[in-house]
Amino acid sequence: KQEVTQIPAALSVPEGENLVLNCSFTDSAIYNLQWFRQDPGKGLTSLLLIQSSQREQTSGRLNASLDKSSGRSTLYIAASQPGDSATYLCAVRSFGNEKLTFGTGTRLTIIP
Amino acid sequence: NAGVTQTPKFRVLKTGQSMTLLCAQDMNHEYMYWYRQDPGMGLRLIHYSVGEGTTAKGEVPDGYNVSRLKKQNFLLGLESAAPSQTSVYFCASSYRDRDQPQHFGDGTRLSIL
Repeated sequence: KQEVTQIPAALSVPEGENLVLNCSFTDSAIYNLQWFRQDPGKGLTSLLLIQSSQREQTSGRLNASLDKSSGRSTLYIAASQPGDSATYLCAVRSFGNEKLTFGTGTRLTIIP
Repeated sequence: NAGVTQTPKFRVLKTGQSMTLLCAQDMNHEYMYWYRQDPGMGLRLIHYSVGEGTTAKGEVPDGYNVSRLKKQNFLLGLESAAPSQTSVYFCASSYRDRDQPQHFGDGTRLSIL
């Protein structure tokens, strides 16, 4: 059974710093891994999707990497801003499965 | 752009009451999903549909029923609500291609007293 872990559960950093969020998964037989952002009281917004054959994806100040063999992904946020404060969730889509398996998220606070 | 719309946004029910949550998407997505989100447990899949007229069970289907009579709508029903079903419910949709992202609604916050 696929399990997805995100550590730490919460992170606070000063504005302007670069930061890395971590995601690990137990079964490397995946189609893809997806990073989401969730603002309080809101739904999930897809940030980046990395296919199993890819090593990384970039969108603006965000860069997500995938190391399938070690079961790890990182989300790198450059030059953090207060507007980046949110909960970040990763999810994997495993072989033979139509569903996503989610981690419990990292709550990020950017301190002005 | 409407995207994925969920109604209602909030609801309080008494134990034993029934209700239906509605999800509508305007992106012509084939797949639709219902998740619940509980503190410390992440999102868990309740039921999903791979096309009009089809439904399938997810991880936590007990106590819920679903229907997909039209491609754009996916309904989640609680026949006899229980306090354990207090949660935030999210609907999502996607294209059939597994490498397309899922798009989420803003959720329905449901409390069962």
